[in-house]
Amino acid sequence: DIQMTQSPSTLSASVGDRVTITCRASQSISTWLAWYQQKPGKAPKFLIYKASNLESGVPSRFSGSGSGTDFTLTISSLQPDDFATYYCQQYYTYPGRFGQGTKLEIK
Amino acid sequence: EVQLVESGGGLIQPGGSLRLSCVASGFTVSSNDMNWVRQAPGKGLEWVSVIYSGTTIYYAESVKGRFIVSRDSSKNTLYLQMNSLRAEDTAIYYCARSGSETGYCNGGSCLFDPWGQGTLVTVSS
Repeated sequence: DIQMTQSPSTLSASVGDRVTITCRASQSISTWLAWYQQKPGKAPKFLIYKASNLESGVPSRFSGSGSGTDFTLTISSLQPDDFATYYCQQYYTYPGRFGQGTKLEIK
Repeated sequence: EVQLVESGGGLIQPGGSLRLSCVASGFTVSSNDMNWVRQAPGKGLEWVSVIYSGTTIYYAESVKGRFIVSRDSSKNTLYLQMNSLRAEDTAIYYCARSGSETGYCNGGSCLFDPWGQGTLVTVSS
């Protein structure tokens, strides 16, 4: 199975900051990577597919990049609604494992 | 509107059984690949099972032999029969459809969209 590792586990930032979350795959997954946002008590919400493509309705301050084994999710200017936990998921091959999550906290 | 609504969670003793349901609206369960994903309290997301639109079914190693996924086309509902439950099965269980748009799948592996709201299963004596 392909393992997914996110860093950092927790990130403290302020409104207006630019933040980057990293996701690393244990082997190449091309660009078959999705990013999700999860708020407390809610189901995950899908944000980005194929590493860099924004789902319809996702604000343009979110962006994704990477290919192969290394990927990033960047939020260009944090808004209060963005404080949540973010997960990456590979879907290069079954089973589509998730990273362990990155909790984005208010500094 | 595409929507998934889970039910059937609750408190169950170790070794017991429980059946979760996931009612879909806005699309046909039997024409889509459907998944169960769980999240232990305070932990990350773990894929549990997939039932493809055909007959193929896969399970995570952690539940293989104990959980059974099925669907009822007449009710447009997905099920997860959970047997021989253990404390480590305690989690919120989400049903989720495999992505159906271009770029959302690579062969049989897909991202998940949409998700239900989840149902909590607590295994404890």
